[in-house]
Amino acid sequence: AQKVTQAQTEISVVEKEDVTLDCVYETRDTTYYLFWYKQPPSGELVFLIRRNSFDEQNEISGRYSWNFQKSTSSFNFTITASQVVDSAVYFCALRTGSNYQLIWGAGTKLIIKP
Amino acid sequence: KAGVTQTPRYLIKTRGQQVTLSCSPISGHRSVSWYQQTPGQGLQFLFEYFSETQRNKGNFPGRFSGRQFSNSRSEMNVSTLELGDSALYLCASKAKPGAAAIANTGELFFGEGSRLTVL
Repeated sequence: AQKVTQAQTEISVVEKEDVTLDCVYETRDTTYYLFWYKQPPSGELVFLIRRNSFDEQNEISGRYSWNFQKSTSSFNFTITASQVVDSAVYFCALRTGSNYQLIWGAGTKLIIKP
Repeated sequence: KAGVTQTPRYLIKTRGQQVTLSCSPISGHRSVSWYQQTPGQGLQFLFEYFSETQRNKGNFPGRFSGRQFSNSRSEMNVSTLELGDSALYLCASKAKPGAAAIANTGELFFGEGSRLTVL
């Protein structure tokens, strides 16, 4: 079975705090891709990152960083020095094989308070 | 370049009616997929079209249908609406597989969605 679990339904922090969003996935495929998308109140899903199963290197992009660990089937997302504009729902997703259908987590609503 | 455009943004229907939603992909993108987003079920894949052909279909009843035109614009239709069809319907476009790395890195480019309320 293929599944993505985002156990944190909602997280609320004060601006400038660091925050980590958890993502745990399940798949038996050896080749797969993991994604993070951001959904602001406007509704549009914005692509943040894609990771393939053969690349466990952590990635940093400005205040965003991602920790991919195959040993724990996790692909966690950290925002450092959070800002109010980071408030959104964040989705983790999984794609396997040649099928472009994405399997989505339930999303984590992130609230950054000023 | 212009993003994915979905129309209408908001609409209200009553049970039993039908609805048609439209999606214009990013220029040059030939793949269009549709997703339904509800608080209870989250994001669920409806179907994907490429070059006017349905490539993949999610687990939805036959009341949900779609099509793609020669200009890559896509429509989805829901007939005999039910209360549970109330949702945000998102359309996403993607460059042809094998396209240039930059164009393909983002995988799916989403529109802002059509929010359907069924009363």
